Amino acid sequence: EPEVTQTPSHQVTQMGQEVILRCVPISNHLYFYWYRQILGQKVEFLVSFYNNEISEKSEIFDDQFSVERPDGSNFTLKIRSTKLEDSAMYFCASSRDSNSNQPQHFGDGTRLSIL
Amino acid sequence: AQTVTQSQPEMSVQEAETVTLSCTYDTSESDYYLFWYKQPPSRQMILVIRQEAYKQQNATENRFSVNFQKAAKSFSLKISDSQLGDAAMYFCAYRSATRAGNKLVFGAGTILRVKS
Repeated sequence: EPEVTQTPSHQVTQMGQEVILRCVPISNHLYFYWYRQILGQKVEFLVSFYNNEISEKSEIFDDQFSVERPDGSNFTLKIRSTKLEDSAMYFCASSRDSNSNQPQHFGDGTRLSIL
Repeated sequence: AQTVTQSQPEMSVQEAETVTLSCTYDTSESDYYLFWYKQPPSRQMILVIRQEAYKQQNATENRFSVNFQKAAKSFSLKISDSQLGDAAMYFCAYRSATRAGNKLVFGAGTILRVKS
């Protein structure tokens, strides 16, 4: 069965550095998402992306964050200048079409550790 | 804004027994979807079961079933004949049906431990 894949599985970065988290959504999916989970807390929505533009973003997704689909397969989350509080598990997800009962399929996540 | 509450941080069940995980939610919308996701340790979240709010019939998927009480805004998950492989974090999630590509709103999760 097709899967959402995320790389790297663990990223360690110095505070203030830029980081790019990568995701390959399922190939025929049209909607893409990023969520994050700070240790011990809820999974929180960051951003959704459709037709090469952001369709919705949360208040967490400030100017330090950006998303991009640079080619036909990858979907990236960039954090421009990382802060300690950006340490979290970041999950990418994708869903198939515009029918909103379609489930979102999640990747394994990238654990981001900011030192 | 919608919220999802899972009041049980952790639950235990004996293998082959039945366990129920609780979930309540708050919304002013009438049309939405509810989901249970399972997250094994260090693994991706997998959809277990989903329920459309307009359907009165409770969803079932093999050993997994839900008790959907729309008026009470309750959506519990029942796991029958529990197996060791059911041990995981379980997340309840809400999704508005007002438009396509809507975000999921998650509860805090319940850790399920299965004893042999």
